[in-house]
Amino acid sequence: EAEVAQSPRYKITEKSQAVAFWCDPISGHATLYWYRQILGQGPELLVQFQDESVVDDSQLPKDRFSAERLKGVDSTLKIQPAELGDSAMYLCASSLYRGPNTEAFFGQGTRLTVV
Amino acid sequence: AQSVAQPEDQVNVAEGNPLTVKCTYSVSGNPYLFWYVQYPNRGLQVLLKYITGDNLVKGSYGFEAEFNKSQTSFHLKKPSALVSDSALYFCAVRDPRVTGGGNKLTFGTGTQLKVEL
Repeated sequence: EAEVAQSPRYKITEKSQAVAFWCDPISGHATLYWYRQILGQGPELLVQFQDESVVDDSQLPKDRFSAERLKGVDSTLKIQPAELGDSAMYLCASSLYRGPNTEAFFGQGTRLTVV
Repeated sequence: AQSVAQPEDQVNVAEGNPLTVKCTYSVSGNPYLFWYVQYPNRGLQVLLKYITGDNLVKGSYGFEAEFNKSQTSFHLKKPSALVSDSALYFCAVRDPRVTGGGNKLTFGTGTQLKVEL
């Protein structure tokens, strides 16, 4: 069964350091999402790509976060510098297309702890 | 702006009993509604979705949900709970009219379901 792959599964980093997460969506899925899930809360969309283009990054803290999907396949989310409040689960998801009735498939996530 | 409310942080039910996990939503227009489940150390999986048509939606693992437009609710139900149903459940909504922003999926805060013997 096709899955969304994310790495690493766990990451501990010190405050002010840079950290990066990688996501490989399900093959053929044009839409890719990065969500942040803080403990006790629901996932919140950070950025959404359609192929290699960003279609929504309204909730991405652009002073420290960046995301790219250069070839329209896999994607990297970067935080620089990391802050204590960035500790959360970072989830990647993909869907076949961008329509409202399309189902998003999620990876297992990267658990980030900033110390 | 669209939003989802899950009023219960946790629901406890005995195995074999019916379960309900509540969800209400706020969105302009007709919503697209989803229930996702999150098991420990696994990604979110969709259980069921309401797009249009019959208000009673059947999904995976015997779950179902009823769309009630007048009450803006989409409660998740199962007639007979299993211990293996214990997990974190999220209700989510898309506004189909938000085309420029890519039809963002908005999640509730989640409800922890605990099924005990």
